[in-house]
Amino acid sequence: SAVISQKPSRDICQRGTSLTIQCQVDSQVTMMFWYRQQPGQSLTLIATANQGSEATYESGFVIDKFPISRPNLTFSTLTVSNMSPEDSSIYLCSAVLLAGGPNEQYFGPGTRLTVT
Amino acid sequence: DAKTTQPTSMDCAEGRAANLPCNHSTISGNEYVYWYRQIHSQGPQYIIHGLKNNETNEMASLIITEDRKSSTLILPHATLRDTAVYYCIVINAGGTSYGKLTFGQGTILTVHP
Repeated sequence: SAVISQKPSRDICQRGTSLTIQCQVDSQVTMMFWYRQQPGQSLTLIATANQGSEATYESGFVIDKFPISRPNLTFSTLTVSNMSPEDSSIYLCSAVLLAGGPNEQYFGPGTRLTVT
Repeated sequence: DAKTTQPTSMDCAEGRAANLPCNHSTISGNEYVYWYRQIHSQGPQYIIHGLKNNETNEMASLIITEDRKSSTLILPHATLRDTAVYYCIVINAGGTSYGKLTFGQGTILTVHP
């Protein structure tokens, strides 16, 4: 198993500002992902965080709005840029363990973002 | 990836078995069935997965029909802590879908005392 931590756990931000969310895993991992969960909705995959290269974004998500870094195997950041109230969501990271299958993902507790 | 259909909500009495159905009639031969759950205010938690055979682990059992068009997740002795949203996900083991989970609306399971 793995423990995934996210910082901050929640934040309230003003529109037009940016917030960087950190994700740290305590085990060796292969893949890391970022998801968004809008109020009352299910999870939507934002992107795959690739170590040492640009993230792979899903349809509807772009690097300018959601820049992602993954400087090493166990750490990744997601920045929500130029925020608007529509960005108010829970942002979750997930990871696949080195010894696990690609679809057995461990999730962090999420970062609850409110944009005013 | 194949589309899944789940009931919006289900109730279960504490101590009884909870049987959560999932329809995936368009599943293809190389697609697996995965189950996750999300307890309120937490991230999703992996439960179990299978291809064609029935599977069991310490959390649950997964029954997949012979034609693979539907499956049932069984929590043998539900507790109040099993109250959560349960997601059935069908995903290809490789290719362009590798690792990319698509969450539907899931089933809200409420376990009553």
